Amino acid sequence: DAGVTQSPTHLIKTRGQHVTLRCSPISGHKSVSWYQQVLGQGPQFIFQYYEKEERGRGNFPDRFSARQFPNYSSELNVNALLLGDSALYLCASSLRDRVGDEQFFGPGTRLTVL
Amino acid sequence: LAKTTQPISMDSYEGQEVNITCSHNNIATNDYITWYQQFPSQGPRFIIQGYKTKVTNEVASLFIPADRKSSTLSLPRVSLSDTAVYYCLVGEGPSGTYKYIFGTGTRLKVLA
Repeated sequence: DAGVTQSPTHLIKTRGQHVTLRCSPISGHKSVSWYQQVLGQGPQFIFQYYEKEERGRGNFPDRFSARQFPNYSSELNVNALLLGDSALYLCASSLRDRVGDEQFFGPGTRLTVL
Repeated sequence: LAKTTQPISMDSYEGQEVNITCSHNNIATNDYITWYQQFPSQGPRFIIQGYKTKVTNEVASLFIPADRKSSTLSLPRVSLSDTAVYYCLVGEGPSGTYKYIFGTGTRLKVLA
């Protein structure tokens, strides 16, 4: 079975641009979460989606948005990119949005903002 | 908001037992505690999860005291391939406002 997949693997953008990152969860998983991991730090929670609805949100500005599609895949959008948005963006899927559901992480998308 | 703290780094020798502690002072009553392992340029990988007391699986044990304000990951007989960063994870909040909080991470280096 395929694990969580993310695309693209790497991405280079310039300040002020917009970016869309994509995630496909494990088959049968209905929840997707997004995290930002700056080099040398732990992952920071951005969003959780379940059945196309937002279930949780971290402390990120409104420039960050996401959505989940009927097939449970998800997109993370970041507008007006800043240098500080350079990070590894991780997607994780789980069966549901229940506390304690194990999250399975993808390999991440490395975003570099110049 | 829950805050989780861990030692920044630890060194150990092959074959030794390693214990890594995470402090989560504001953990909510319904939170689970989960530990992940992360290698460079990879996503975190699940190790173990618990709610209270002790949990053991084929790779690790997790000890959670009664007050649940901390937890300890125990790795028996570590090998060189266990060199990685280890994170604890707690969640908080009801559905709709839920947040996952990763710890600061502990960089474990296993020496031959």
